[in-house]
Amino acid sequence: AQSVAQPEDQVNVAEGNPLTVKCTYSVSGNPYLFWYVQYPNRGLQFLLKYITGDNLVKGSYGFEAEFNKSQTSFHLKKPSALVSDSALYFCAARGAGGFKTIFGAGTRLFVKA
Amino acid sequence: SQTIHQWPATLVQPVGSPLSLECTVEGTSNPNLYWYRQAAGRGLQLLFYSVGIGQISSEVPQNLSASRPQDRQFILSSKKLLLSDSGFYLCAWSQIPSGTTDTQYFGPGTRLTVL
Repeated sequence: AQSVAQPEDQVNVAEGNPLTVKCTYSVSGNPYLFWYVQYPNRGLQFLLKYITGDNLVKGSYGFEAEFNKSQTSFHLKKPSALVSDSALYFCAARGAGGFKTIFGAGTRLFVKA
Repeated sequence: SQTIHQWPATLVQPVGSPLSLECTVEGTSNPNLYWYRQAAGRGLQLLFYSVGIGQISSEVPQNLSASRPQDRQFILSSKKLLLSDSGFYLCAWSQIPSGTTDTQYFGPGTRLTVL
């Protein structure tokens, strides 16, 4: 069965420190991988995606994610966190040739000033 | 550019009442359309998806239904709401054909409270 796991319900980080939000996946075939962010009472906003090529993907708002095929991971990173980065982050995956995108349960990021 | 609209933004309905939530997309044609429900501010549950007018696939058996009367319009309905239908409903679109990167873009959501 296809799945996406976000092992941390919440990540706490101080402003200015680097942040990592973890994601592992299990899909058939080569994966298409996505990160989304959700602010309170809002829809999900697309941050970045991995399709093929360079394992390090750069996205919106200074976020980046690293694809690791051997570990089936796609962790979201940012070198210096901002208080405004506090939100709910979703990892998603789809197998190449598949139709459904599978979403993780979400990780709440809290950045303290 | 493409935009996606949902209304209403919030809705409070009594148990047993009907429901109609609407989603429309602008700036694209023949999109894939999706309805998700998000409970307790966490994970997303895919309810329905549509690849074309009148083509609806249901993911979870329940008392909800979906329709796509026009290319860029997607409606979520219920004849009789249950307490368990409360949640945050999100509409999303992606570009056909499937098998491409299928990035989904989400609407602002509708907060439904069933009392």
